[in-house]
Amino acid sequence: GQSLEQPSEVTAVEGAIVQINCTYQTSGFYGLSWYQQHDGGAPTFLSYNALDGLEETGRFSSFLSRSDSYGYLLLQELQMKDSASYFCAVQGYQKVTFGTGTKLQVIP
Amino acid sequence: AAGVIQSPRHLIKEKRETATLKCYPIPRHDTVYWYQQGPGQDPQFLISFYEKMQSDKGSIPDRFSAQQFSDYHSELNMSSLELGDSALYFCASSSRHEANYGYTFGSGTRLTVV
Repeated sequence: GQSLEQPSEVTAVEGAIVQINCTYQTSGFYGLSWYQQHDGGAPTFLSYNALDGLEETGRFSSFLSRSDSYGYLLLQELQMKDSASYFCAVQGYQKVTFGTGTKLQVIP
Repeated sequence: AAGVIQSPRHLIKEKRETATLKCYPIPRHDTVYWYQQGPGQDPQFLISFYEKMQSDKGSIPDRFSAQQFSDYHSELNMSSLELGDSALYFCASSSRHEANYGYTFGSGTRLTVV
């Protein structure tokens, strides 16, 4: 089976940096993905790490350590529109398994 | 760019009724996935299809079935609906040829069972 743990809620100030951690236990691991979901909306793919290290995409970066079964999503220069739920997700052979999500609230 | 299309957007059914949700994946995507998301919950994997064949099965009740057709669209059939089936149902598609493995989700169907 697969299990993922991430904080349930995080609050950060506009313009700041926030890191959302994710630890996982899984069999059949191909990589770790991150998705953003606004209330009532569909999950939107943000990033994917198959190998250890940091992947940067604009204001968002994602990190993976396979030996530690750990990853994080780093959001820089936070904007109010970044308020959403963020899911880490383990990419298996034929499916993605989502974590329970971190609700990020960005405050002025 | 074309996205994943789901229909209907909203559906209200009574207990014990049947519902059919439709999904049209991105053209040339070879895999379709169905997820169920209850209020405040993470998306739960139901079932997936690769090249029109069922490829994996998750926590899908026996009352539910799904298939993928020759034109690659997929339908999720839900029978004997229960109040607990009320949720957002997402379809997603992906291509094995895309290295980032990212899924593209449709806007979802909000099913309300009354």
